[in-house]
This record gives sequence, structure tokens and C-alpha cells, in this order.
Amino acid sequence: GESVGLHLPTLSVQEGDNSIINCAYSNSASDYFIWYKQESGKGPQFIIDIRSNMDKRQGQRVTVLLNKTVKHLSLQIAATQPGDSAVYFCAEKIGNFNKFYFGSGTKLNVKP
Amino acid sequence: NAGVTQTPKFRILKIGQSMTLQCAQDMNHNYMYWYRQDPGMGLKLIYYSVGAGITDKGEVPNGYNVSRSTTEDFPLRLELAAPSQTSVYFCASSYGTGFFEQYFGPGTRLTVT
Repeated sequence: GESVGLHLPTLSVQEGDNSIINCAYSNSASDYFIWYKQESGKGPQFIIDIRSNMDKRQGQRVTVLLNKTVKHLSLQIAATQPGDSAVYFCAEKIGNFNKFYFGSGTKLNVKP
Repeated sequence: NAGVTQTPKFRILKIGQSMTLQCAQDMNHNYMYWYRQDPGMGLKLIYYSVGAGITDKGEVPNGYNVSRSTTEDFPLRLELAAPSQTSVYFCASSYGTGFFEQYFGPGTRLTVT
């Protein structure tokens, strides 16, 4: 697989614990955000999204929180499982077209 | 559906060579994108297309060209390969305006030596 995770910030958690992955975004005009999961050797996969008119959105075992005041996004994963081990990226949409700017990512290691 | 497919999976090029990275999607998506991902970094947009015959530059277009003659295909051309183009390349697609989720291919790992 690719070596994309070598220099990334890493979060290590125990299986069953909750994980929180943080992301600072750059543009106060960003109106939409997506969290992607990228497993080793694969392309990114959509997890959850949130619009800028929301503070919180929940999915299955995942919650995204948006703090527009400090331009901060977080992804919370409940009861983390070994299959959650991956690199997680936040992406912000700026402008009218579907162009996204990606953060550098956080590597999540889940210890059994 | 196969989703988004990319070929080749791996390629080694010598400096100055050229090649085309292939990307195809079978979801009838209007929008397609090319990204590069350097080690330890996020994805950077190279080029994108909103439909057949329409393409535009992203953040890092220099050294690349694209074309979109059909809805399904969006090849990326590298002319005069340079070591700085060593990266993993991802193609993605999405339905169109208002539908923001992008579906990614498995990537092409390119090394230029």
C-alpha cells in the first residue's frame, strides 16, 4: 500500500474507546464540509458531511461537529473498531462549484 | 457498477517521458476530478470537468493536461515527466451541482526517476 500515512499526525486509541479527530479549516466562506476515510492502498471514501448552517450532524457511530467561530471541525467515532484504522481527511468546499480543499489528514490506529 | 476505475495501478517513468493516466466512471456522473496526493499530505486538485467538452484548472495544473470527450472518460496526460510529479493520482466523480459527495478510484502510483 501507499506510504501516505508516514508523516501524518497519529491518533492511537483502544478498541471500544471513542475517537475524536480534529481539523482546522482555512476559509470563513466555506459552506460545506466532508469527512473522508482512506484505507491503505485505496481512494478516499465518504463518511459524513455537514453544511455551514449546522453545528452538529450524526450518522451511524459518527458525529461531526462544526465550530464556525474558530473554524474548527471534528469527527467523533463511537466505540472505535479495528476496521476504523485509516487516514481521515476533512475537506471544505469554497465557492459555487464542487471544488474541495483537503486537509493533510490524521492517521487513526486502533489497538485491539 | 464498477464505479470509478483507473489504469494503470503503478507506473515508473523516466524524466522527460510522457504518459496518460486513464479514468472511467459508469455512474453517469457529470463532474470528474483529478487529484494528486504526496506522502503525508492531503489531496490537491489538478483539473476538473463539469461535463463532456468542459475542463478547468485546479490548484496544481502545471505539467498536466486533460480532455473530456465523453461523460465516462477523463484521461490525465503528463508531458515531459519530472521527479516532482512522483505521487499517487486519484480520479473522482460526482453527480453534479448540489451533489457534493465524490466517488474516488483506487489510484495510480507514479514514480518519475
